[in-house]
Amino acid sequence: DAGITQSPRYKITETGRQVTLMCHQTWSHSYMFWYRQDLGHGLRLIYYSAAADITDKGEVSDGYVVSRSKTENFPLTLESATRSQTSVYFCASTPGSGRPGGLTEQYFGPGTRLTVT
Amino acid sequence: SQQGEEDPQALSIQEGENATMNCSYKTSINNLQWYRQNSGRGLVHLILIRSNEREKHSGRLRVTLDTSKKSSSLLITASRAADTASYFCATDRYNFNKFYFGSGTKLNVKP
Repeated sequence: DAGITQSPRYKITETGRQVTLMCHQTWSHSYMFWYRQDLGHGLRLIYYSAAADITDKGEVSDGYVVSRSKTENFPLTLESATRSQTSVYFCASTPGSGRPGGLTEQYFGPGTRLTVT
Repeated sequence: SQQGEEDPQALSIQEGENATMNCSYKTSINNLQWYRQNSGRGLVHLILIRSNEREKHSGRLRVTLDTSKKSSSLLITASRAADTASYFCATDRYNFNKFYFGSGTKLNVKP
């Protein structure tokens, strides 16, 4: 199916465990992003990637690791989950910078609801 | 800190009325975008306005951008119950290949 998918959709894990959230897009978009959204708040950028093998930190990257060996996949790993990482995680992609106009619209996945107990 | 901040945080109106929400940001931008999020879902792109544009329309949506005041507004005309959602602005900061989202306006349209 075309689009952007995330898995799992729901995950419950224990403090200290490693968790990987998957994101897959079928458009070959250059840019991909990971955000977290906490109850009643907007989205905060965790990591982003401009292309395969190019990643950079966002606002709240501590405790998270990403990789992008293929354009279509952008997994997010919580190395040792903490309760403060309980959140809804969204993956998004956008075709490119489209300079000089800047980044174009983002396409969002459905989200992964992660609970750390 | 977040780049964009929406105002008001919550808005409740009757069906058929217009809804206006505002977004303020702090630094130079390439463009500003508005997104809608229905409860429990991912965000959906509504409209993009570039830094050299002042107004843009899309159906019942009207967006304005004032770069001198670093602010934008989203107007939804003739609102419908289906417009009930949270609305977020996102800025693409100049020279940064990433987005900054505001905290959102929660719109409730009563039938």
